Parts: sequence; structure tokens; C-alpha cells
Amino acid sequence: DIQMTQSPSSLSASVGDRVTITCRASQIIRYLNWYQVKPGKAPNLLIYGAANFQSGVPSRFSGSGSGTDFSLTISSLQPEDFATYYCQQSDSAPLTFGGGTKVEIK
Amino acid sequence: EVQLVESGGDLVQPGGSLRLSCAVSGFTFSNYYMSWLRQAPGKGLEWVANIAKDGSEKYYVDSVKGRFTISRDNADNSLYLQMNSLRAEDTAVYYCARGAGWESDHWGQGTLVTVSS
Repeated sequence: DIQMTQSPSSLSASVGDRVTITCRASQIIRYLNWYQVKPGKAPNLLIYGAANFQSGVPSRFSGSGSGTDFSLTISSLQPEDFATYYCQQSDSAPLTFGGGTKVEIK
Repeated sequence: EVQLVESGGDLVQPGGSLRLSCAVSGFTFSNYYMSWLRQAPGKGLEWVANIAKDGSEKYYVDSVKGRFTISRDNADNSLYLQMNSLRAEDTAVYYCARGAGWESDHWGQGTLVTVSS
């Protein structure tokens, strides 16, 4: 199975800050997705295939990386961005998620 | 508008069974892979199972193999998860989701399964 390691597990930031979350796969992958999860709401796909925007996602979100190392960047954190973010590899079953990064208000 | 609505979650005793359903609308169901995923209380997301567009291929996380079965009815725009031999560790909110590939671009609101005596 492909293991996904996310860091940090949590962070505190202010509105307007630039935030970067990293995700490392245990082997080379091509398909890396990022999701945003808010309590009581359905998860929301932000980025697929490492760097492709899902329709409707604000342009302040961006994804980058290849091979085993990937990142999600929020260029200017907005109040509605406080949530937990997960990376997921969809190269091969079992599809696996990182442990999540909780973004909290400083 | 794409909609996925899960149902069937309940309180069940260990060793019991449940069948989850997911009714979809707003898109051509037979054109998409479908998945079940879950989130246990206070835990992260976990993928449970995938099914191909025509139902010919199915994949499962190891922890549910032999106990859970994913299926679909393309004529009825419905996805199912038959869950047998349920364990306490299966307690979670279960989501159905669709994907053009194996990413999940639309999710339902989830249905809660609680396994407890």
C-alpha cells in the first residue's frame, strides 16, 4: 500500500497569511488530490492530479509537486478556509489519505 | 445540479448487517466511477471501496474485504454498500462520492453508522 504523510498536522495562521501544506508519498505517484473538510459538511475536492483546479475552487488555492513530494498552497488565507485538508493518492488501490492538516485561526 | 444522497445508516450491534444506499441525480451515473469513503469520529478520511462505471471491477480496503460489498444499479441511478459482520471500528460517517477517475469530485452529506451493543 502507498503511505501518505502530511505535514504539519496542524497550524495556526491569520487571515491574509500564505499557508503551505506538504504531502509525501511512500513511492512515486502521478495522481495526488487535495480535499477540504469542514465539520458537518461534505468533503470538497480542491485539486486533482497534483495541480489541476476543480471547478469553482478559488484561485488562491494551488497545488504543485511530482514524484513523491507535493504541496497545497493557500496564497492569502480567508476566513472560510479554516478547515482540515487531506491529500489522497489515487494511483492504485487501496486509495490512501494523509493524516490531515487542521488550519486554525491564530 | 449534482446530488448524492446517502441513506441506511443506523445503530447496529457488533456482528450485524446494514445496507447503505446512495441515490444520485444531476449527472449521467453510468459515466462515473463511484466510491464509498468514511470518517470515524475524531479521525481522518478513509477510502472504503470503488466500483467501475459498469460494475465490472470492484476494489476494497483490506479491513473490509470479505465483509463489505459495493454494487450499483445504473438503471436506477443508485449505489449500494452491503456491510456484514460489522465491528465497532466500522463506526463512522459513510459518504458516497463520484469521480471521472478515482478522485472524488462530488460527495454526499453522509450517513452515520454506529456499531455498538
